Amino acid sequence: DAMVIQNPRYQVTQFGKPVTLSCSQTLNHNVMYWYQQKSSQAPKLLFHYYDKDFNNEADTPDNFQSRRPNTSFCFLDIRSPGLGDAAMYLCATSRVGGGRAYEQYFGPGTRLTVT
Amino acid sequence: GQSLEQPSEVTAVEGAIVQINCTYQTSGFYGLSWYQQHDGGAPTFLSYNALDGLEETGRFSSFLSRSDSYGYLLLQELQMKDSASYFCAVREGRSSGAGSYQLTFGKGTKLSVIP
Repeated sequence: DAMVIQNPRYQVTQFGKPVTLSCSQTLNHNVMYWYQQKSSQAPKLLFHYYDKDFNNEADTPDNFQSRRPNTSFCFLDIRSPGLGDAAMYLCATSRVGGGRAYEQYFGPGTRLTVT
Repeated sequence: GQSLEQPSEVTAVEGAIVQINCTYQTSGFYGLSWYQQHDGGAPTFLSYNALDGLEETGRFSSFLSRSDSYGYLLLQELQMKDSASYFCAVREGRSSGAGSYQLTFGKGTKLSVIP
């Protein structure tokens, strides 16, 4: 089945220690998104890629970076995690140009704990 | 900017009907989506309204009134498995006239279905 895969599902890192979360998709969608979701809150868009074009949200901290080496993969790098960065990180995809750009497909998320 | 309001919690009885409301304020509204998220799971797409009126998909229906900046999700014949959080999400329009592929999510409504 076509899907969005995130690894790892659970990640524990130390305060200030860089961490990378990964996302892959078999849907061949041209847009990939990274969201941060804290408990009982809305998913908050951090940035997205439209093909190779990177789009950063204005309020995304500089501590967060992303890479998309090809259509299938996207990475979220947190350079110096703080305690406030503990959250669920969701990767999503959508297909722009197919008439259903409003439908986003989410991965299962990576729950990040910062100690 | 954008803001979305939806109730934080709703409780309903198995087999009943429940309506989850969403009001929004946005500078360039294009459409309203609904997503379901079970505890610890990924959001999954339920429905999308770009035009006024009711869209029905099985037990779920979604309604939009653009003039009132209001929509709702209607769940019929409630089942225990419908216990989840439900998010409305606004899709804005772009200067080109097309819809943006980015979504802004509300804070979610936690639905508890009781026997």
